[in-house]
Amino acid sequence: AQKITQTQPGMFVQEKEAVTLDCTYDTSDPSYGLFWYKQPSSGEMIFLIYQGSYDQQNATEGRYSLNFQKARKSANLVISASQLGDSAMYFCAMSVDSGTYKYIFGTGTRLKVLA
Amino acid sequence: ETGVTQSPTHLIKTRGQQVTLRCSSQSGHNTVSWYQQALGQGPQFIFQYYREEENGRGNFPPRFSGLQFPNYSSELNVNALELDDSALYLCASSPKGRGRAVYTQYFGPGTRLTVL
Repeated sequence: AQKITQTQPGMFVQEKEAVTLDCTYDTSDPSYGLFWYKQPSSGEMIFLIYQGSYDQQNATEGRYSLNFQKARKSANLVISASQLGDSAMYFCAMSVDSGTYKYIFGTGTRLKVLA
Repeated sequence: ETGVTQSPTHLIKTRGQQVTLRCSSQSGHNTVSWYQQALGQGPQFIFQYYREEENGRGNFPPRFSGLQFPNYSSELNVNALELDDSALYLCASSPKGRGRAVYTQYFGPGTRLTVL
């Protein structure tokens, strides 16, 4: 069975500092993708970054980077130079090659950026 | 490029009623997935439609049903509403084609359903 685990219900970070949000996953499928989404209080899920299971390098998108450690089955999100607008819920998700291509989400981490 | 849109934004229904939620996919996307997000939880997969056919279903009862139209827009129908159906319903579209494992899904703003 596939599973995503996010063990940090809430995190605080000072403005302009970096923060790491943890995500571990479990799957026996060799082909899968890992995603991070940001969900502000408005509710919309905003795509941040994607890492494929066969990708050799860690993904980066602007201030977001994904620390992919395949052997440990972890896919942590690193946000550099935090901004007040980064305060939101962050979800890690996985999609596997099961024919359905559904997303499996973690329980999320609420990030609060302090001025 | 138009993103994913959903209607209505908010909806209040009473137990036992039926509801239809609508989603317009992003231009060029042929796949729509629906998710239910209860308060304080991560989204749960309801089902997915690919080129007007159901392409997988999560652990939801048959009173949750859907449709996808030739323009790839989609509807989620829920019959015999229960209090536990109160949630944010998210629609996501992706440009999936056969033979590939993963596609990024792009979400709409959601419909917040309250069942009294």
